[in-house]
Amino acid sequence: EPEVTQTPSHQVTQMGQEVILRCVPISNHLYFYWYRQILGQKVEFLVSFYNNEISEKSEIFDDQFSVERPDGSNFTLKIRSTKLEDSAMYFCASSDQGPYGYGYTFGSGTRLTVV
Amino acid sequence: TQLLEQSPQFLSIQEGENLTVYCNSSSVFSSLQWYRQEPGEGPVLLVTVVTGGEVKKLKRLTFQFGDARKDSSLHITAAQPGDTGLYLCAGVGHSGGSNYKLTFGKGTLLTVNP
Repeated sequence: EPEVTQTPSHQVTQMGQEVILRCVPISNHLYFYWYRQILGQKVEFLVSFYNNEISEKSEIFDDQFSVERPDGSNFTLKIRSTKLEDSAMYFCASSDQGPYGYGYTFGSGTRLTVV
Repeated sequence: TQLLEQSPQFLSIQEGENLTVYCNSSSVFSSLQWYRQEPGEGPVLLVTVVTGGEVKKLKRLTFQFGDARKDSSLHITAAQPGDTGLYLCAGVGHSGGSNYKLTFGKGTLLTVNP
């Protein structure tokens, strides 16, 4: 079964530092996403990426955040100058057929702790 | 106000019992998905329903999309301890919006006791 791979599984960083979360989506998928889940809260959409550009972003995804697909396989989320409230599970996802969410596959997540 | 309300929030039942969990909204969705999430893991897609009134079955799990595409239910027959987990519903394309992002409910935490 194809899967979305995320690294690292855990990341602890000091407030104000930059972090890069990495994801390898399913190889034939075209749509890529980042979501986050603060402990005890619901999963929230951050950003979607298609054809090498951001297709949609939420109000959470401010100038502190950026995404990149530096090569044909990796998809990264960069958080500049992390804040305590950025502590959360960050999930990468990819899908193939776009509309309706068919084929949506999530990674196991990166637990980010900002201290 | 939550866009997608799931109920109940917690459910604890005995093995062999049947159960239904609900996902309700005042908004229309293009499609609705159900996921199961284990602690410390990402959500795993169970089903996608697209057509109003659609019913899909996955072994002992039955999913229904409301006629107006505003709500959905998940029914589990003869629950087993392996069904224990957090069940999430997620809507796509609410009120004619993006068909690419998911809007999640808060989930129903199901515990099936042996």
